Amino acid sequence: GAVVSQHPSRVICKSGTSVKIECRSLDFQATTMFWYRQFPKQSLMLMATSNEGSKATYEQGVEKDKFLINHASLTLSTLTVTSAHPEDSSFYICSALKGSGNTIYFGEGSWLTVV
Amino acid sequence: GENVEQHPSTLSVQEGDSAVIKCTYSDSASNYFPWYKQELGKGPQLIIDIRSNVGEKKDQRIAVTLNKTAKHFSLHITETQPEDSAVYFCAERRNTGFQKLVFGTGTRLLVSP
Repeated sequence: GAVVSQHPSRVICKSGTSVKIECRSLDFQATTMFWYRQFPKQSLMLMATSNEGSKATYEQGVEKDKFLINHASLTLSTLTVTSAHPEDSSFYICSALKGSGNTIYFGEGSWLTVV
Repeated sequence: GENVEQHPSTLSVQEGDSAVIKCTYSDSASNYFPWYKQELGKGPQLIIDIRSNVGEKKDQRIAVTLNKTAKHFSLHITETQPEDSAVYFCAERRNTGFQKLVFGTGTRLLVSP
């Protein structure tokens, strides 16, 4: 297997503020990482694909100016939720693509609550 | 289309019984099919995967079968245990440059002791 770590695991922020979530591949390098959002009892919704050293590719309907993604190194991608609103409250999960076999491993997720 | 159909949405079995979850995909170019287990409040955990050049793969109590002609793949769990209770997601990866996964809608498995 492989380890992907997310931080923080839980965060509460006030409406209008920004919050950053980190995704790290601990024991492998990942040129590609993915960010998902998951609502209760629903499947994972892909938000964007993060590529090291280049701009992220966003899925249709995802606001790139609201969900800023930075993949500055081969082991770290960050998701910043800007000007957060209560409707942004959700479970955010990252995953990382490992190796030539291209297996995808997920982080533990980050619960965001906007109050 | 974009969707992977997954059935059933809920599955209840007695401990020791087998559980089968099925997924159907639409893109014949898809070449990788992983299964993930997600426990409440946690991220998905890869439990088994299969590539398009293989018809079946087994890992202890877990097996996955792939029928490329019919475009469906199934997860089989034998001798189920209460700790197998979780939500299981199938996924497919399209043969595109970004290697992104498309997920099924999930199956909530409950194993009763």
